Order: sequence, then structure tokens, then C-alpha cells
Amino acid sequence: GAVVSQHPSWVICKSGTSVKIECRSLDFQATTMFWYRQFPKQSLMLMATSNEGSKATYEQGVEKDKFLINHASLTLSTLTVTSAHPEDSSFYICSATWGLAGADTQYFGPGTRLTVL
Amino acid sequence: GENVEQHPSTLSVQEGDSAVIKCTYSDSASNYFPWYKQELGKRPQLIIDIRSNVGEKKDQRIAVTLNKTAKHFSLHITETQPEDSAVYFCAARASSASKIIFGSGTRLSIRP
Repeated sequence: GAVVSQHPSWVICKSGTSVKIECRSLDFQATTMFWYRQFPKQSLMLMATSNEGSKATYEQGVEKDKFLINHASLTLSTLTVTSAHPEDSSFYICSATWGLAGADTQYFGPGTRLTVL
Repeated sequence: GENVEQHPSTLSVQEGDSAVIKCTYSDSASNYFPWYKQELGKRPQLIIDIRSNVGEKKDQRIAVTLNKTAKHFSLHITETQPEDSAVYFCAARASSASKIIFGSGTRLSIRP
């Protein structure tokens, strides 16, 4: 149980275009989903926390108008990278938890590798 | 906010020897400390976690210790094997928050 999927697994796009990444909890209802970005040989940097039906909470330094997050249902959150540029190329990983706020275990998706040309 | 520091950044040990990775955290309200293993291009996998009401937890060859007073926690891997080679991340979460903050990672290499 507790499987999280992401789609697509990799994407290549031209500079200036927008890219949408989906994160799904397949066998549980995710009350909270998180979006991370990981550059090569670096740690996971939290971008935003997303709760179903409410606006995402963005970490300091993350542009909410550039990284649009929608958590429309308890099993789906989407991250849209708008007007992508080469510096947005990275590994984007989502995770999900369920239950009360502060639930311990986060289940990670397999990640999406974005390359912006 | 929480800040997690992790050392060393790289670690190479002989197969069969032990490996120790250390982390410190800044927020005294943190009460949950997971450790993740990440292989190249893959998702992080939870390998062990500890809560602030215990000082040590063990699962076969892996153990984690927590010193709340010093705000230190450590991962111990005994009898290392080639498949232990990966990047390991410590993390911390405060009881008042749902988000987890990660350390910078340790690249562990097991020499045959």
C-alpha cells in the first residue's frame, strides 16, 4: 500500500513553454502533498505544501506565480512550471501523507526529470 | 524555521565495516526524524525513523540514535554490503508542522 505515482517520468520542453506534472496517491487519500526540487548531487528542497481544497503554502524564495500548484482532490496534485527556462531543469519529486496534520510518514513519488532547452 | 546539517558529505567504507552518518537540527520542537536512502535517479526510500520519545531504534543492520539535549541524531549501518551504496538523507519535522526538512545528504560508497 501507500503508492504514489508521478506523470510524466521525464519531459523535455522548449524555453518559454509550460509543463504540468501530476502526482497521484493510488491507494490512499492524501490530505497533504509536498513538492520538492532536487538538483544534481544536491538534497531535496521543499518548494511547497499542498492541502486538498486550499491554496498551497510556498517556501521562501519559491515563486508561486511560476510554480502553480493545484490540489483539487484527495488523490491528485499538480505542479505547473510556467514559462520554463533552462535553470528550471531539475528532478521534481512529490510526496504525500494522510491523516491528521503532522502525520509522520511521507510516501514519495518516483520523480519527474524536467529538461528545458 | 528548522535547519538540518548532515556530515560527512561523502563516506567510503570497506565492505563489512560499519558506517556512521551524523545530523544536527536546530528546532527544539522537532519530534520526528526519518532517514532516507536514495539511489541514483530514484525516489527516496524511508529506511528507519525515530521519534523524540525514544533514544535508539534498531532494525537489523540499521540503527538510529537520538540525543534530544544536544539535538543530534545518527544513523549506524553495520556489516555494510555493496547494496548499501547510495545517498542517505536525514530529516526532521516539528510537531507543529507537516513538512519535513532534509539534510544535505551523504554519499556512501562500499569498497569491495
